[in-house]
Amino acid sequence: EAGVTQSPTHLIKTRGQQATLRCSPISGHTSVYWYQQALGLGLQFLLWYDEGEERNRGNFPPRFSGRQFPNYSSELNVNALELEDSALYLCASSLERGASNQPQHFGDGTRLSIL
Amino acid sequence: GDSVTQMEGPVTLSEEAFLTINCTYTATGYPSLFWYVQYPGEGLQLLLKATKADDKGSNKGFEATYRKETTSFHLEKGSVQVSDSAVYFCALIGGATNKLIFGTGTLLAVQP
Repeated sequence: EAGVTQSPTHLIKTRGQQATLRCSPISGHTSVYWYQQALGLGLQFLLWYDEGEERNRGNFPPRFSGRQFPNYSSELNVNALELEDSALYLCASSLERGASNQPQHFGDGTRLSIL
Repeated sequence: GDSVTQMEGPVTLSEEAFLTINCTYTATGYPSLFWYVQYPGEGLQLLLKATKADDKGSNKGFEATYRKETTSFHLEKGSVQVSDSAVYFCALIGGATNKLIFGTGTLLAVQP
C-alpha cells in the first residue's frame, strides 16, 4: 500500500512569492492534514480537510490556505512568502472524520526555503 | 488548552540499554495518545497508540501505557539498537478537532 506522498521534496522561493505544495493521501483516507515543522517552533497544526471542506484551522495567517480535490488529494498554498515560512511542511492522512481520533499517517514532507 | 510535555533531550545510550522517554499531557476529556518517530531527513512514522485508559500500545519492542491517573504515556524499550537513533514525539488528539498536539520531541542517540 502506498503511503502519503508529497511533492516537491524541496522548494526554494524568494520573499513575496507564492508556493504550492501537494499531497496525495493513503488510498481510502478522506481526511488530509497539514503541519509546519519550523526550527525552534516544533510541529504546529495548520489545516484539516475532509470530504473537500476545511474542517479546522490552526493559528496561522490567511495567506496560508489550501484545498482538497474530489480524489482527496490536497494543495497547500502560501502567499506573500516571508523568511519565517522556511520550514518542513508535513502532510498526513487518516480515515474519515466519523471514526474519531484515528491515527494520522505522515508523508516525508516538503522542505520550503525562503531566500 | 491541551498540551504535551516530554523530557528534554538528547538522550544518549549504549546499545542494549533500557530506554525511557517521559511524556505527560494536559487535556479535557479523554484524548487518544500517540508516539511518533522521525528519522533524519524523513517525515513522522506512527510508532504506537493508545485510545483509552490502561491501554498499552506496542510496536517494534517499544511500549507505552495510557495512565489517566498520572496523565502520562511514557515510552519504554528494553534493549535499544543503534538503528533506534531518531527523534521521538509524544502527541495527543482530543475532542473533535482531529488536531494532533505534539510535544517538543526527544532526540535519542544510541552508541555501539
